[in-house]
Amino acid sequence: DVKVTQSSRYLVKRTGEKVFLECVQDMDHENMFWYRQDPGLGLRLIYFSYDVKMKEKGDIPEGYSVSREKKERFSLILESASTNQTSMYLCASRGDTSLGGGPSYNEQFFGPGTRLTVL
Amino acid sequence: AQRVTQPEKLLSVFKGAPVELKCNYSYSGSPELFWYVQYSRQRLQLLLRHISRESIKGFTADLNKGETSFHLKKPFAQEEDSAMYYCALDNYGQNFVFGPGTRLSVLP
Repeated sequence: DVKVTQSSRYLVKRTGEKVFLECVQDMDHENMFWYRQDPGLGLRLIYFSYDVKMKEKGDIPEGYSVSREKKERFSLILESASTNQTSMYLCASRGDTSLGGGPSYNEQFFGPGTRLTVL
Repeated sequence: AQRVTQPEKLLSVFKGAPVELKCNYSYSGSPELFWYVQYSRQRLQLLLRHISRESIKGFTADLNKGETSFHLKKPFAQEEDSAMYYCALDNYGQNFVFGPGTRLSVLP
């Protein structure tokens, strides 16, 4: 059973604070993702990583950075939080799709989400 | 550019009625499509994928390449089907492109 965990379910921060959101997966997945989920906008990709120390910008990377020092952990960093970053943040992981095989080889598995409020 | 649209933000049906959640996509290549579901206070989870051609919880979805659609259907809706549904497109094996979502409300 794939487990993707996120460090906090709820977080309240003040404008200008540095915020760290942590995500850990236990399935030895190569790929990890950070999304934000907003009503009417669906899931928008912030950053993803296909290997340790590798990162790729998604659709809305501005104001965010990421870190992947270990395969199982992918961190999202808000250098200086702003009120427009109030949102639900979802982490996901996925195996190496080039390997193929099996019914779930290209499925993304999601964490429970972190609801961040920036005051 | 790869894109997924879901025209309905909210869909309300009565229990026992048929339901169809619409999804259209734009993609240059052979698409792989998914439906994800999020029940209240639960995490987002895979409902079904087109490549498996399966029926999950009574839901089916057929890929129509001519109409670039992947609509989700169920002949008889149940109250427990009330949830947020997202259509997603596999972007060349890298990330997924998600639609904006449709909230399904099944009324008693």
